[in-house]
Amino acid sequence: EVQLVESGGGLVQPGGSLRLSCATSEFTFGSYSMTWVRQAPGKGLEWVSAINDSGGETVYADSVKGRFTISRDNSKNTLYLQMNSLRVEDTAIYYCARKMGSGTYPDDYWGQGTLVTVSS
Amino acid sequence: DIQLTQSPSFLSASVGDRVTITCRASQGISSFLAWYQQKPGKAPKLLIYAASTLQSGVPSRFSGSGSGTDFTLTISSLQPEDFAAYYCQQVNSFPRTFGQGTKVEI
Repeated sequence: EVQLVESGGGLVQPGGSLRLSCATSEFTFGSYSMTWVRQAPGKGLEWVSAINDSGGETVYADSVKGRFTISRDNSKNTLYLQMNSLRVEDTAIYYCARKMGSGTYPDDYWGQGTLVTVSS
Repeated sequence: DIQLTQSPSFLSASVGDRVTITCRASQGISSFLAWYQQKPGKAPKLLIYAASTLQSGVPSRFSGSGSGTDFTLTISSLQPEDFAAYYCQQVNSFPRTFGQGTKVEI
């Protein structure tokens, strides 16, 4: 069964950095685009970033552009999100997800999420 | 950016009820719309994509319709396990925005 497992969340001070990882298994990771989505406590879903199968194309939400970097290591079947200059408003559960296929498809498999808390 | 507006934000219903949630896009997105279900403490689950295609394993009481700017998620007969939050998402263009969500409560 397809699995995605996020890690790397935790408590960080404003202005600090964190790197999230998403370890995947049971599918050909290098053939799929991947996504990060976040959810602030008690709030709705916010799309954060996406990367294509090779890692050569990336897209970001305006709220994180210039501060977050999405990347992937297809040899390790792992997706990353480097988060710099963190703000209190970045506090959220961060989910990684697999895009369903090539083209305009949604995300069909999601991890369980990792909590990032930005607070002094 | 494309804005998605869901209505209602909250919905109180009973087991067996027919429930309808709407999602309106700020500009046309053809049929590039998905619906997710999210239960407390869990990741979202894909229910419907391409506006009306049921994801594998999703019960047939769920259905979706619409194209352009107006979309609908219908649950034909609400079951106890359907009490959750529901989100629409447009996948027509980046950023892939979500609606604000609809919480279905007993």
